[in-house]
Amino acid sequence: GAGVSQSPRYKVAKRGQDVALRCDPISGHVSLFWYQQALGQGPEFLTYFQNEAQLDKSGLPSDRFFAERPEGSVSTLKIQRTQQEDSAVYLCASSLVAGGGTDTQYFGPGTRLTVL
Amino acid sequence: AQSVTQLDSQVPVFEEAPVELRCNYSSSVSVYLFWYVQYPNQGLQLLLKYLSGSTLVKGINGFEAEFNKSQTSFHLRKPSVHISDTAEYFCAVTLISGTYKYIFGTGTRLKVLA
Repeated sequence: GAGVSQSPRYKVAKRGQDVALRCDPISGHVSLFWYQQALGQGPEFLTYFQNEAQLDKSGLPSDRFFAERPEGSVSTLKIQRTQQEDSAVYLCASSLVAGGGTDTQYFGPGTRLTVL
Repeated sequence: AQSVTQLDSQVPVFEEAPVELRCNYSSSVSVYLFWYVQYPNQGLQLLLKYLSGSTLVKGINGFEAEFNKSQTSFHLRKPSVHISDTAEYFCAVTLISGTYKYIFGTGTRLKVLA
């Protein structure tokens, strides 16, 4: 069956440009997560949605980062005025139920963002 | 706060040899534990998870892990590795209540040699 998909897979931006990264979760999944994975590091939590509600955005590194999930399915992570330190792989994950640490998170392939 | 430490950044091992990838965590409250594998240009895939019950957990592809509460460890093992096991392996924890985000270790790159 279809898994989590992300687009684009690769994005190159000039410093100062705005970018938008898309995540299509598994159909019917209530929870959606965004993680940032810097080179040689493990993924780090950015934000969490339960349906359309953004319940936790404590991991967003600055106010240049903004995420939305307006209809409770597709989500977009937007980064304004990109900086070189934003270069990373951005991972999206979804899980079936609301919250709950027991539920498996299914990850997409990620979007590799390179800021020049 | 919770943290996860993967002591080995790289582990080379010959094909058909056993392997152990180490994971230690720090938390003042109970956690759930996970191992994920990441193949090149692919997303993270769940290998196994410990929620409760038996401390020995069996996962996919012949992997298993043992939860040791006293040592706060959750080491991953496989008795005989294959070339196809070459990948990055991540240990992660999440709290059993009140939160849902994973906290990952920095990963261990397993390289299986012919």
